[in-house]
Amino acid sequence: DGGITQSPKYLFRKEGQNVTLSCEQNLNHDAMYWYRQDPGQGLRLIYYSQIVNDFQKGDIAEGYSVSREKKESFPLTVTSAQKNPTAFYLCASSRPGPYEQYFGPGTRLTVT
Amino acid sequence: AQKITQTQPGMFVQEKEAVTLDCTYDTSDQSYGLFWYKQPSSGEMIFLIYQGSYDEQNATEGRYSLNFQKARKSANLVISASQLGDSAMYFCAMKPLNRDDKIIFGKGTRLHILP
Repeated sequence: DGGITQSPKYLFRKEGQNVTLSCEQNLNHDAMYWYRQDPGQGLRLIYYSQIVNDFQKGDIAEGYSVSREKKESFPLTVTSAQKNPTAFYLCASSRPGPYEQYFGPGTRLTVT
Repeated sequence: AQKITQTQPGMFVQEKEAVTLDCTYDTSDQSYGLFWYKQPSSGEMIFLIYQGSYDEQNATEGRYSLNFQKARKSANLVISASQLGDSAMYFCAMKPLNRDDKIIFGKGTRLHILP
């Protein structure tokens, strides 16, 4: 079964620690995306990658970093520089052209 | 600049009634795609329906249809015969088709179906 997996579903960290969120897809999609969602709000784009070994900043990249060493994987690191990291993080992938994005189940990160 | 506007932050609708969720967009691209997603309280994003800018007919998928008015830059989602399970957040989104670029999402509309 093809899809996107994100792990873990819930993540708790202490302030000042870096944390990496996993995103894996077996859909053979070239493009992958990371979004942040705060309660009752829409999706804000953090980073996206159109191809392996390349990625671009989205609207709210400060305090985050990514890598795209493999087509299947697009991990997101939330660094200690991110002022308010507690949020719901969604990973997505897509094919080029008139096709929808497929989303993972999300990771809820709580930093205290 | 591209932009998606969803003017209804929340809506309450009686079960079995039809509901229209508004979406207007702004783009300078000639070729683009419009999408609607549903997000239940569990958080996952569920793709509902797609409309291409050059499609002459409005898209339909089961109880979902997209009322596409290109001249007005409007892409409203219509849900017929609403069900309690339709209660969720709904997002309108747009993507240019002739260049590599990201999907732009609206801020969403929270739909409550009343029994």
